Amino acid sequence: QQQVKQSPQSLIVQKGGISIINCAYENTAFDYFPWYQQFPGKGPALLIAIRPDVSEKKEGRFTISFNKSAKQFSLHIMDSQPGDSATYFCAAVNYGGSQGNLIFGKGTKLSVKP
Amino acid sequence: DAGVTQSPTHLIKTRGQHVTLRCSPISGHKSVSWYQQVLGQGPQFIFQYYEKEERGRGNFPDRFSARQFPNYSSELNVNALLLGDSALYLCASSPRQPNTEAFFGQGTRLTVV
Repeated sequence: QQQVKQSPQSLIVQKGGISIINCAYENTAFDYFPWYQQFPGKGPALLIAIRPDVSEKKEGRFTISFNKSAKQFSLHIMDSQPGDSATYFCAAVNYGGSQGNLIFGKGTKLSVKP
Repeated sequence: DAGVTQSPTHLIKTRGQHVTLRCSPISGHKSVSWYQQVLGQGPQFIFQYYEKEERGRGNFPDRFSARQFPNYSSELNVNALLLGDSALYLCASSPRQPNTEAFFGQGTRLTVV
């Protein structure tokens, strides 16, 4: 049973464009939502994260939008660059639960064309 | 400033064998978690340790076991390897539990033949 659903599976964007990746979750106990970036042969690296009491968080070219009522959140990458080409994972965790492990989506492979 | 280090980086084992993977967390981090990442999928939680005690276990068979040492480093052991155990095994460390602000190592690529 997949608790975090991520789409699309792959995404091709032109340099300078906006990349948008969406995630939906089921467990209302989740209270921390990070995004990870993973390059081939490397481990995931924390990119940006949000808590459900905030509807939007921006760090540089990366923005998370969060819709608590819809149980959805998304990552926007503005002015996408070829160096952003990687696989992106959304995740969720129950911060207040006894088991604080990350639940990951299946990932989105982003290719930014020059 | 060392990040999470895992060893070995690559490993090839035969079905039925046993494997031990090692992880050293970021200095000062007391929580270590293990994840399995099959090609094309997101990481799946295997174990979490905090202050040398198991704090969580994912949906993996008893062939998988782990432990955390007094210096907070950790080992993941897998017995009776199956072809399906081939994956990237990731270790993540956090300063505290739960596993927010998790920092991942580069992983150990295990191939079972």
